[in-house]
Amino acid sequence: QSALTQPASVSGSPGQSITISCTGSSGNIGSYNVVSWYQNHPGKAPKLIIYEATERPSGVSDRFSGSRSGSTASLTITGLQDEDEGDYYCCAYGGSDVNWVFGGGTKVTVL
Amino acid sequence: QLQLVQSGAEVKRPGASVRVSCEAFTYTFTGYYLHWVRQAPGQGLEWMGWINPKNGDTKYAQKFRGRLTVTRDTSLNKAYMDLRSLSFDDTAVYFCVRDSRWQQLVGLWEFWGQGTRVTVSS
Repeated sequence: QSALTQPASVSGSPGQSITISCTGSSGNIGSYNVVSWYQNHPGKAPKLIIYEATERPSGVSDRFSGSRSGSTASLTITGLQDEDEGDYYCCAYGGSDVNWVFGGGTKVTVL
Repeated sequence: QLQLVQSGAEVKRPGASVRVSCEAFTYTFTGYYLHWVRQAPGQGLEWMGWINPKNGDTKYAQKFRGRLTVTRDTSLNKAYMDLRSLSFDDTAVYFCVRDSRWQQLVGLWEFWGQGTRVTVSS
């Protein structure tokens, strides 16, 4: 049981927008803006796409955006493309004892 | 080009220990925290722990305390992840990953090693 809850799957047609939620608690997302999102393809290292809840690393498409409200963070992908298929994980800081926790992951399918 | 290069795949018996190394290239090794993250087959990502290569300070996830040790050798620009008392559940790909801000623990993980597959099998 992950400390962060994500939907198991989200799908959309090319060009559509989808949003993936990541629900935590007052012990992690609710207290710290240290929330990141990773795109993961089988057999490959994860790729950072959002950090500090809303920031995008250089080189990451502006079709990816992040937000945070209360104990929930969200990742939105606009203009969905075939290459966006994969697994997406949120990750949050949970304080000095817990440190970092991941969500269970969300499989994104482009229909 | 910044790189983290990990050691090769391992096959271990239950109860054994495994060491995975992570060698840093083209940056100041002691300037950035290193974390270890694993992914079991068909499962999600799991944070294991971090080390501050500057002074050797470490922090481990509760789940791994007592069984996990992360060390570093600054003369070799290498970090090591030692996991003991292996069980079948430890079969996973293990990644080292560098934090992205100078001497800050921020969980900003842009640079990953290629991963090391550890298989626990009898």
